[in-house]
This record gives sequence, C-alpha cells and structure tokens, in this order.
Amino acid sequence: SQTIHQWPATLVQPVGSPLSLECTVEGTSNPNLYWYRQAAGRGLQLLFYSVGIGQISSEVPQNLSASRPQDRQFILSSKKLLLSDSGFYLCAWSAYNEQFFGPGTRLTVL
Amino acid sequence: GIQVEQSPPDLILQEGANSTLRCNFSDSVNNLQWFHQNPWGQLINLFYIPSGTKQNGRLSATTVATERYSLLYISSSQTTDSGVYFCAVAQGGSEKLVFGKGTKLTVNP
Repeated sequence: SQTIHQWPATLVQPVGSPLSLECTVEGTSNPNLYWYRQAAGRGLQLLFYSVGIGQISSEVPQNLSASRPQDRQFILSSKKLLLSDSGFYLCAWSAYNEQFFGPGTRLTVL
Repeated sequence: GIQVEQSPPDLILQEGANSTLRCNFSDSVNNLQWFHQNPWGQLINLFYIPSGTKQNGRLSATTVATERYSLLYISSSQTTDSGVYFCAVAQGGSEKLVFGKGTKLTVNP
C-alpha cells in the first residue's frame, strides 16, 4: 500500500532563516505530487504541483520554491523565511485523480 | 476559477444525532473529494465522489454533478466525528484541488 511521509512534524524558525521541508511517497511510481498550505483558519491553498522529476508548477507567487529531485521526493524550500510563511504545510500525492495527504508540518516563524 | 462553498460553517451536535453537510461548486468538475481533518491536522479521505452515491459505515455522500452540489451525511454521530470537514474539487483534466472553507463539526457527549 502507499504511504506518504513528511518531516519534520513541527518546526520553529526565526525570520530570515532558510527552510527545507521534505515529503516522500512509498508504494507507487510516478505520482503527481502537491504542496498545500493551511494558514490560521481553515482554508487549504495549493502552492506547487509536480507531474515528474524536475517538473514544478507554481500556483501562487510567494517566498517559497519547490523541487523534485527524485520520483517520489518533493521538497519545499525558502532562502529567507517571512512571518507570513507560518502555517501548516501538507504534501499530497495522486495517481488516478484521488489525492492522499501526508501528516503535515506545522511551521512557526518568529 | 471555480468557487466552492460549504455550509454550514459550524455545526454543534449531541452524540447520536444525524447531520447533513453541503458543498456547492460553481462549475462542472471531474473530481470531488470529502475529507475529515482531525484535531492533529491529518486530512483523512472520506469519499472520492465526482458523481453518484457512496456509503461507508455511518457516512454516506451524494454528488449531483448536473446541479453542482454534493452532500455528506453523518448518522449516529460520535465524539470522534468532531473536526473540520472539507469538500475539494478539480476541473477539466486538472488534478489540482480547490478546497472549500470547511464545516467545523463539534459532537458533544
């Protein structure tokens, strides 16, 4: 069966510091991969998606970037964090339309 | 882009009660999913239901694609049903989900 992992689970970082969040998927090949952010409140917003290695599409302009160095690895990065980057970051994968989410990383920027 | 509206925004029930959550969307979709976000933030898949009716235990869902809405039914609610329920849709050949703002359900013992 398929499994999706995210780490770290929680992170507290100072403003201006770099960021690297990792997501890996097991049990499937060539999945579509997604990064979402859930800010305070409830809504989830799609940040990036990838249909293959090295193929990244950005949905909203922001202080973040994404990379897919391997088929089942998706990384979310920032060179300098802003206060507004705080939130809950969720990685997801899909193979045939239905999406499945990882456990998330809760990021607090101070 | 497509708009997704969920109602009600908040719902408080006594254990054992039944409830109906609604999701309206503004355009045709090829993907509709219902999720439950538990208190730890995990998004749990409930249904993949772009059309038709499905049931899973005490939960069932119906999507009427021609009328652009979906309903999630929860019967005999339990305290563990508490959390936020999200509806999310995708259009055309896209797999990019657009989420509603959710319904926050609280089930009291």
